[in-house]
Amino acid sequence: EAQVTQNPRYLITVTGKKLTVTCSQNMNHEYMSWYRQDPGLGLRQIYYSMNVEVTDKGDVPEGYKVSRKEKRNFPLILESPSPNQTSLYFCASRGLGTGSSGYTFGSGTRLTVV
Amino acid sequence: AQTVTQSQPEMSVQEAETVTLSCTYDTSENNYYLFWYKQPPSRQMILVIRQEAYKQQNATENRFSVNFQKAAKSFSLKISDSQLGDTAMYFCAFTDTSGTYKYIFGTGTRLKVLA
Repeated sequence: EAQVTQNPRYLITVTGKKLTVTCSQNMNHEYMSWYRQDPGLGLRQIYYSMNVEVTDKGDVPEGYKVSRKEKRNFPLILESPSPNQTSLYFCASRGLGTGSSGYTFGSGTRLTVV
Repeated sequence: AQTVTQSQPEMSVQEAETVTLSCTYDTSENNYYLFWYKQPPSRQMILVIRQEAYKQQNATENRFSVNFQKAAKSFSLKISDSQLGDTAMYFCAFTDTSGTYKYIFGTGTRLKVLA
């Protein structure tokens, strides 16, 4: 089944404790992206990647890191999480030249930083 | 800067009735794509319908259709014969064809279908 897999689904952590949210897709997609969803703000892009070793900042990159060492994986790293990073996070992917087909989204990660 | 505006934070509709969700956007591009995504309580993001700006014909997917007004930069979603399963948050999204295919999302409309 074609899908984007995110883990974990829920995560509660303490301020300053490094964490990684994993994202993997099995569709051989070139484009991958991370979004955060907050009430009243919709979804905002954190980082995106157009292919292996090619990443760029989105609208809200502060406090986040990403890497794209393999085509299928695009982990999101929070080196020192803070309470303002409490949010719902989505990973998404799509293929090259398929702009009209829309992103495929993972099932989301609910992160709480206390 | 490109923006997407959804001016209705919440809406409700009776089962079997028709409801229209509004979306306006701002861009200087001529070619782009517009989408409506549905997010049920499971929080999964589900693509409902898409529209390519160069196509004048409004997109339709079963009970879902759009009213795309390019000059007015308006992209509303009509849900006919509303069902309880349509209860969800709906997001309008825009992407251009510049190559990055960054999506700009609206703030969402929470739709509740009443029995």
